[in-house]
Amino acid sequence: DIHLTQSPSFLSASVGDRVTITCRASQDISRYFAWYQQRPGKAPKLLIYTTSTLQSGVPSRFSGSGSGSVFTLTISGLQPEDFATYYCQQLNSYPYTFGQGTKLEIK
Amino acid sequence: QVQLQESGPGLVKPSGTLSLTCAVSGDSITNSHWWTWVRQPPGQGLEWIGEVHRSGDTNYNPSLKSRVAISLDKSKNQFSLELTSVTAADTAFYYCARTMTTVTTGWFDPWGQGTLVTVSS
Repeated sequence: DIHLTQSPSFLSASVGDRVTITCRASQDISRYFAWYQQRPGKAPKLLIYTTSTLQSGVPSRFSGSGSGSVFTLTISGLQPEDFATYYCQQLNSYPYTFGQGTKLEIK
Repeated sequence: QVQLQESGPGLVKPSGTLSLTCAVSGDSITNSHWWTWVRQPPGQGLEWIGEVHRSGDTNYNPSLKSRVAISLDKSKNQFSLELTSVTAADTAFYYCARTMTTVTTGWFDPWGQGTLVTVSS
């Protein structure tokens, strides 16, 4: 299985801050990579796919980058609705796997 | 707008079978997509369970493969999950989702709202 490790697991920040979450894969996963946001009590929501493509309707303050086995999610100018848990995912090979999650909290 | 909705019993007895259905609207399950199940124990991370294609082909997580079956019901435009011999460790929120894949990439979108299944006597 391909293991995904997110860092940090917990992140405390303020409204207006710029934050970056990193996801490292145990092997090269090409561009079969996505980021999801999960608010408390809600289903995960697709934010970014193919490493850097924003899903329709996702604000432009979200951006993704990376290649091979290291990927990043950046949120520029945090808004109150961005405080949630973020998961990375690989679909390069079965079984599909997710990172352990990064919980973004208000400082 | 594509929407998915899970349904099924919220309580299953240990050693029993968990059965859930995902109703799809706004898209046909006979299109070229895979349809997937994901679960999340309360307070924990996401685990991919498996997927089914319009052809009936399936892929399962090896950690669950001996106990899981995912199938299509084309007449009702829905797909289903069965997980046998459940234990308390199978207590989780269960989500269905559409898997989008191309030659170079893939992602899950949209997701159903999820349903909590508790395994308890």
